[in-house]
Amino acid sequence: GAVVSQHPSRVICKSGTSVKIECRSLDFQATTMFWYRQFPKQSLMLMATSNEGSKATYEQGVEKDKFLINHASLTLSTLTVTSAHPEDSSFYICSALDWTDSYNEQFFGPGTRLTVL
Amino acid sequence: AQKVTQAQTEISVVEKEDVTLDCVYETRDTTYYLFWYKQPPSGELVFLIRRNSFDEQNEISGRYSWNFQKSTSSFNFTITASQVVDSAVYFCALSEVVAGGTSYGKLTFGQGTILTVHP
Repeated sequence: GAVVSQHPSRVICKSGTSVKIECRSLDFQATTMFWYRQFPKQSLMLMATSNEGSKATYEQGVEKDKFLINHASLTLSTLTVTSAHPEDSSFYICSALDWTDSYNEQFFGPGTRLTVL
Repeated sequence: AQKVTQAQTEISVVEKEDVTLDCVYETRDTTYYLFWYKQPPSGELVFLIRRNSFDEQNEISGRYSWNFQKSTSSFNFTITASQVVDSAVYFCALSEVVAGGTSYGKLTFGQGTILTVHP
């Protein structure tokens, strides 16, 4: 299957700083990527849908000014957590859609664990 | 709105026991996709199965089997002869369908079931 990478895999930062997380499709082009967030012992919740060349679509309750998404190329989407606070500490997972003929497959990245002190 | 319910928060079994993980879903769509994912302690999601709403055939893959019943909106997952390596969190998920039914989009996940298999 196709491979999706995330960088960094783990990041610890001080409160008030901004953190950028990269999601890359390594061997396919992805016009659509998704960003999920998972708090400890909880489920994955969709944050936003990232479309190449256009603005991201955010789910209800997700602050678009706090979680900046940029999908500038067909293989890279970035999530920037601005002015991070301890309550933003979470596991962030991206996924990318890969079209095979007329059908698409969704591949998940390994996740990024963010800890805000 | 779509919703997925996994009523079993935690299940504990002894190795070699069979275990069934329940999943009930809600959707207004007539076409949709259902999934099961495994999340080991490392956190990376492992894809197990995808099922189109039109395909109600049960499926078996090694020790894994899935029972899809549209009439009860359930998509249950059974592990036969469980092993310690099966210990993980298992998520059931539901997806909308886009592009004329040939593709799927964002996923709605259930709360997850923590499965612990003891030796």
